[in-house]
Formats: sequence, C-alpha cells, structure tokens
Amino acid sequence: GAVVSQHPSWVICKSGTSVKIECRSLDFQATTMFWYRQFPKQSLMLMATSNEGSKATYEQGVEKDKFLINHASLTLSTLTVTSAHPEDSSFYICSVEQEQETQYFGPGTRLLVL
Amino acid sequence: EDQVTQSPEALRLQEGESSSLNCSYTVSGLRGLFWYRQDPGKGPEFLFTLYSAGEEKEKERLKATLTKKESFLHITAPKPEDSATYLCAVQAAGYSTLTFGKGTMLLVSP
Repeated sequence: GAVVSQHPSWVICKSGTSVKIECRSLDFQATTMFWYRQFPKQSLMLMATSNEGSKATYEQGVEKDKFLINHASLTLSTLTVTSAHPEDSSFYICSVEQEQETQYFGPGTRLLVL
Repeated sequence: EDQVTQSPEALRLQEGESSSLNCSYTVSGLRGLFWYRQDPGKGPEFLFTLYSAGEEKEKERLKATLTKKESFLHITAPKPEDSATYLCAVQAAGYSTLTFGKGTMLLVSP
C-alpha cells in the first residue's frame, strides 16, 4: 500500500498561534487525501477531503476558516490550524486513497496547545 | 446516516486464547468494509477490505468475515504482539469517505 509521512510528529504551541502540518504521499501520486482528528479513546473523525488543485470539502461542523487545507501537488497536502486554542489539542492523521478506494494512513501528528 | 458499532470496547486474552471482535454497521449501500489496526500514538495500519456478504480474508492469525449487517475479526492463537486497537470502518456506495467505529482495544497477555 501507499507510504504516507507526516511532519511534524508532535508540536506544542501557544494559544492564538497557527500551526502547519504536512502530509506527504511518498510513493504514490494522490489526487485525494483525507484529514482526520482523533481525541483520546475516541475514533477517527473525518475533518475534510483534500483534492489536488481544488478546494477541500469540509465535514459538517468543521470550520473551514480555522482549519485551512492546501493540496498544492500530488504528493503534498497541508493542514494549518489557525489561532489554535487548547480545545484544538488532538491527534491529527492524514490518509491517501489507493487501490479500489483503500485508505492508507500517515503516522499522525500530536498537537498540544497551551 | 452511516453507523458503525464495535464490541467489545476492550478485550483481554491470554496468549493462545482465540476470540472474535464484532463490527455491526448500517450503511446506505455498502461499497466496502475495512479493518485497521492502530497501535498507541500511531496511525491506523490497513488489514483487510471486504466488499460483499460471505466474503472472507485471512492474514496470519487474523480472519475477517462479512454478513449484510456485521463483520467479525477472528483472532486465532493470539500473541502479545497482536495487542492493539482494532478499528472497523465502512464506505458507502458512491463515496470515498470512511465512517469509523470506536474500536476494540485488545490486550494479549503472555
């Protein structure tokens, strides 16, 4: 399956600052990537679908102005958490779609907002 | 609305003690049902995709089965390294997105 990396693996920031998380597809050109958020002992919740060269599609309840997604190339999608607050602290995971719609996930990014 | 319910929430087994995890689902036309394994602090690792009722897939000590309402992940003679959270997800016909269950946390003791 596809190999996916994320950077950084963890980040700590102050409340009110912005944080950018990168998701890279290392061996596959991904026209579609997905961004998920996972709170402790909870399942993965889809935040948005990122499409190369076009605007992302956000799930209901996800603020598009707060979680900015850019899919500028077939191997890179970025998620920027703007004006982060402690309630944004979570585990953010991206995935790419390959092989009959199977999604392969990155290792995740742990965000802690102080 | 698509829904996925996994049971039990947690399962503790002795090494070699076989068992099954359950994933019940409701979806408006199933495109695929997926099983993933997630270790603490890691992203999910793909295990299986099942597409139609009656389908079965195996990988080492794991075997996944599918009916029209649920899927089972059978673990035969588990080892401590099988300890992880197992996630089930469904994909509806015509969509690429996945709906995940909350997972079953499996602990296998030596």
